[in-house]
Amino acid sequence: DAKTTQPTSMDCAEGRAANLPCNHSTISGNEYVYWYRQIHSQGPQYIIHGLKNNETNEMASLIITEDRKSSTLILPHATLRDTAVYYCIVRPRTSGSARQLTFGSGTQLTVLP
Amino acid sequence: DADVTQTPRNRITKTGKRIMLECSQTKGHDRMYWYRQDPGLGLRLIYYSFDVKDINKGEISDGYSVSRQAQAKFSLSLESAIPNQTALYFCATSDFARGGETQYFGPGTRLLVL
Repeated sequence: DAKTTQPTSMDCAEGRAANLPCNHSTISGNEYVYWYRQIHSQGPQYIIHGLKNNETNEMASLIITEDRKSSTLILPHATLRDTAVYYCIVRPRTSGSARQLTFGSGTQLTVLP
Repeated sequence: DADVTQTPRNRITKTGKRIMLECSQTKGHDRMYWYRQDPGLGLRLIYYSFDVKDINKGEISDGYSVSRQAQAKFSLSLESAIPNQTALYFCATSDFARGGETQYFGPGTRLLVL
């Protein structure tokens, strides 16, 4: 899987948008960008994924640059419960065998009251 | 109700004991996984199953066994628990909706082996 680079930590005021960047300059054409988060000692939670187009769901928006070398996860109205470690992962489109989900160091997002 | 559930949520056991961790899902997914997570470390794959008749070893299967009793149930057993199996254990399922494989995790089981 392509390597990703994320800031170690970020703060965001409650109610404001949280914008989490991720660099993946070695991404291949068949690789998706995934975002997961993990609240301390809870199960990792899938947030969103995309290939090249921007995506939006009930949790977040994903903006992927035209060259696909970077992306931004947007939490439009951050709440205290969004405090977590956020992981950006690049994975191939399909998998004939199981691929271990490998998290990097991620970004610790702290939402401040 | 949660789509992926794990029981127990916390367990303390002694060295040499056999224990079973259970996972159930209501997502209707064929693929299921067992991971462990140690403090400060990432996820490591123990076993995975693509359907009821399919069981495969992951990165760290030694000391563990699994049973896929039904599409919805995937159990992990520690035949003879040892202290270095103290960890957080996660079950996951996956699908290929909208391309790519998306994994969905349970809440985890915190295991302490004394």
